[in-house]
Amino acid sequence: EIELTQSPGTLSLSPGERATLSCRASQSISSNYLAWYQLKPGQAPRLLIFGASSRASGIPDRFSGSGSGTDFTLTISRLEPEDFALYYCQQYGGSPLTFGGGTKVDVK
Amino acid sequence: QVQLVQSGAEVKKPGSSVKVSCKASGGTFNSNAISWMRQAPGQGLEWMGGIIPVSGTTHYAQKFQGRLTISAHKSTTTAYMELSSLRFEDTAVYYCATTHPMFQLADIWFDPWGQGTLVTVSS
Repeated sequence: EIELTQSPGTLSLSPGERATLSCRASQSISSNYLAWYQLKPGQAPRLLIFGASSRASGIPDRFSGSGSGTDFTLTISRLEPEDFALYYCQQYGGSPLTFGGGTKVDVK
Repeated sequence: QVQLVQSGAEVKKPGSSVKVSCKASGGTFNSNAISWMRQAPGQGLEWMGGIIPVSGTTHYAQKFQGRLTISAHKSTTTAYMELSSLRFEDTAVYYCATTHPMFQLADIWFDPWGQGTLVTVSS
């Protein structure tokens, strides 16, 4: 099983700042099969990125994904008020598919 | 536009079963699988299993084998997740989600998701 470690656990930033979230895998993820999701309390989780760097439909271009192999990054170029949330990475290159432990982006 | 709407919150006794529904609208029920995930309090997301409604093919995470049944009714475009022999640690928010790529239950990602259903196991 591929374990995903997300860091930091909590990221405290101000609106307008840049957020950089890390997702590190215990082994290389084939075909860069990595996705990122945003979760807010009481709302449906939202797909942001799939295939490590492809933005999902309707996702603003301030969200970008990068990385390969075992190291992946989600970058939010300029935080908007609605971006303060919990973020999870998910790998689907190995069986079983697994999720990271999450990074909370909160207001500084 | 695809939308998934789940049934409401449930409170169950240990040892009982719970069945959560997920109504799909917007036209992908004949091509995409529906998967189920959960998030326990203070924990991360966990994939439980999924179904390809058009064929009835299911795939379950090993952890839930024997306790989990996922089904789907094509006529009502509704998928169901039934978890039996409930334990306190099954308390979680359960989510359904449309699975990509089409006709697959492996190498998959999820979009969109349902709003979540809180299942509380309490004596």
